[in-house]
Amino acid sequence: AQSVTQLDSHVSVSEGTPVLLRCNYSSSYSPSLFWYVQHPNKGLQLLLKYTSAATLVKGINGFEAEFKKSETSFHLTKPSAHMSDAAEYFCVVSSNSGYALNFGKGTSLLVTP
Amino acid sequence: GAGVSQSPSNKVTEKGKDVELRCDPISGHTALYWYRQSLGQGLEFLIYFQGNSAPDKSGLPSDRFSAERTGGSVSTLTIQRTQQEDSAVYLCASSRPRDYGETQYFGPGTRLLVL
Repeated sequence: AQSVTQLDSHVSVSEGTPVLLRCNYSSSYSPSLFWYVQHPNKGLQLLLKYTSAATLVKGINGFEAEFKKSETSFHLTKPSAHMSDAAEYFCVVSSNSGYALNFGKGTSLLVTP
Repeated sequence: GAGVSQSPSNKVTEKGKDVELRCDPISGHTALYWYRQSLGQGLEFLIYFQGNSAPDKSGLPSDRFSAERTGGSVSTLTIQRTQQEDSAVYLCASSRPRDYGETQYFGPGTRLLVL
């Protein structure tokens, strides 16, 4: 079965400092991997998507993620946090059916002034 | 263009009542999905539609839950005889004709509270 583990339930950073949100996945095949963000009382928004074209994936709002097969990781990074980045972030892997998505438990990012 | 829309945005009901939740997918998206987001379980897949048919209903938690889609567009998720554990945010997503790992675009959700 395909699954993801988000290693931190909460991450707190200061504005202007780097962001690292960690995600490990488990899959018996080459999966599609996603990061989604959810701002309070808002829907899920796609940040970026990996589908085997390139291991370093650039997304919206300055976020990027690197697919490391040897480490089964897909960590999300941003060089400099902004107050508006405060939200819940979900690492997601496609199921072997190809349509159902398996979500991690989420990481809540807090950005302090 | 318009994104996925869902209605109502909030629904409060009494235990035992039936509720209907509606989803309007992005125009041209033939695949539609329902998920549930609850505090205890996180985000769970419920059901998938390709056109008007639902090849995978495996995520529906009980036979009180059903869904249909008409005209390859609007979908309705119905919960009969609601229970307090049905309280959650119900999210709908749509995507282009299903391809492996196709990006799903989510609506804002319906927040259901069962008293």
